Amino acid sequence: QSVLTQPPSVSGAPGQRVTISCTGSSSNIGAGYDVHWYQQLPGTAPKVLIYSNNNRPSGVPDRFSGSRSGTSASLAITGLQAEDEADYYCQSYDNSLSGYVFGAGTKVTVL
Amino acid sequence: QITLKESGPTLVKPTQTLTLTCTFSGFSLSTIGVGVGWIRQPPGKALEWLALIFWDDDKRYSPSLKSRLTISKDTSKNQVVLTMTNMDPVDTATYYCAHSTYGSQNYYFDYWGQGTLVAVSS
Repeated sequence: QSVLTQPPSVSGAPGQRVTISCTGSSSNIGAGYDVHWYQQLPGTAPKVLIYSNNNRPSGVPDRFSGSRSGTSASLAITGLQAEDEADYYCQSYDNSLSGYVFGAGTKVTVL
Repeated sequence: QITLKESGPTLVKPTQTLTLTCTFSGFSLSTIGVGVGWIRQPPGKALEWLALIFWDDDKRYSPSLKSRLTISKDTSKNQVVLTMTNMDPVDTATYYCAHSTYGSQNYYFDYWGQGTLVAVSS
């Protein structure tokens, strides 16, 4: 059971906007620790999509954006495309566990 | 160009010790602020952070697995080694190593190896 809670799945039609929530607590996101997001396409290694809450690495389309507020964070995908169908994970640090934590992942399905 | 590659056995027996090696290129683990971590993923399940070693040889472990894990580095060989003792079938997973960079408040994993699938079975 992860300390970061994500919805198991979200779906949307091509072109739509979807959001994925990542809910933590006062010992991780609420303590001010960065949230990072990873995309894992089927059969491949994860790839960083957003780092430090709202920063995109070079090469990541601006359709992807991140935000953090209080004890939660969100990843938004606008203009959903078929190639966005993947699993998405949030990651942060937890000071009560003294360790790095991942969410349980959210599967995005493009209808 | 940063690359990482995991190597080790594909099959281990229960109670045995697993030793995985991460061989990397494109960076030095003696550079201030750099880390290399291990993350695993059981088939069809979520990512789980295991361990992280930093440029200054500081080491951090998952609290739930700390008693079974040891991470070490050989800077001259550009390698990081993870050992996990007392393997069990529930440890069957793809094991990834990843380059770690400090964001504004904590580390994240910006380059990943391809992963290596380790099965635990008698």
